[in-house]
Amino acid sequence: AQKVTQAQTEISVVEKEDVTLDCVYETRDTTYYLFWYKQPPSGELVFLIRRNSFDEQNEISGRYSWNFQKSTSSFNFTITASQVVDSAVYFCALLSRYNFNKFYFGSGTKLNVKP
Amino acid sequence: DVKVTQSSRYLVKRTGEKVFLECVQDMDHENMFWYRQDPGLGLRLIYFSYDVKMKEKGDIPEGYSVSREKKERFSLILESASTNQTSMYLCASSLGGRHSTDTQYFGPGTRLTVL
Repeated sequence: AQKVTQAQTEISVVEKEDVTLDCVYETRDTTYYLFWYKQPPSGELVFLIRRNSFDEQNEISGRYSWNFQKSTSSFNFTITASQVVDSAVYFCALLSRYNFNKFYFGSGTKLNVKP
Repeated sequence: DVKVTQSSRYLVKRTGEKVFLECVQDMDHENMFWYRQDPGLGLRLIYFSYDVKMKEKGDIPEGYSVSREKKERFSLILESASTNQTSMYLCASSLGGRHSTDTQYFGPGTRLTVL
């Protein structure tokens, strides 16, 4: 079974705070891919990152960083020094090697960054 | 950059009308997808197409049909719109074919209201 859990429904922070969005996944496949997408109020899902199951290196892109830990089946996303423009719904997704084209999305975490 | 466009951002239709939602991608992607997004239900796959004139049902195909006559264009058709089809519709595309594990890129979405 494939499943993605984003337990945090909504998070509110004040600008410049750091915030971590949690993502826990379930899969029996040994080869799989994890994604994060951002959905601002305009509605478009914007691709942020893709990680494959063999690459556990953490990744940093500007104020964004991702922590992939296979031992805990987690792929968490941290925004450092948050800004109002980071306000959006963030989705974590799972794609396994043998479920071609079938993305499993989490329910999303709504991030509110207040000035 | 991948560009996925959708014909309308907002659409209001009446019950029983035939509705066409169109999606165009400019990156020569093989795969195109239609999702609907509803509060509390997340993103659900309606149909996807892995080649011209080829399609597969997703999780919720009932009440919908699709058409892919050209590689760059994928249409979602509501033969007789009903109020329970009021939703946000998202189109996506990805590079690979039927057995692909490629990243999906999304369009801006169409908010459809059926009165």
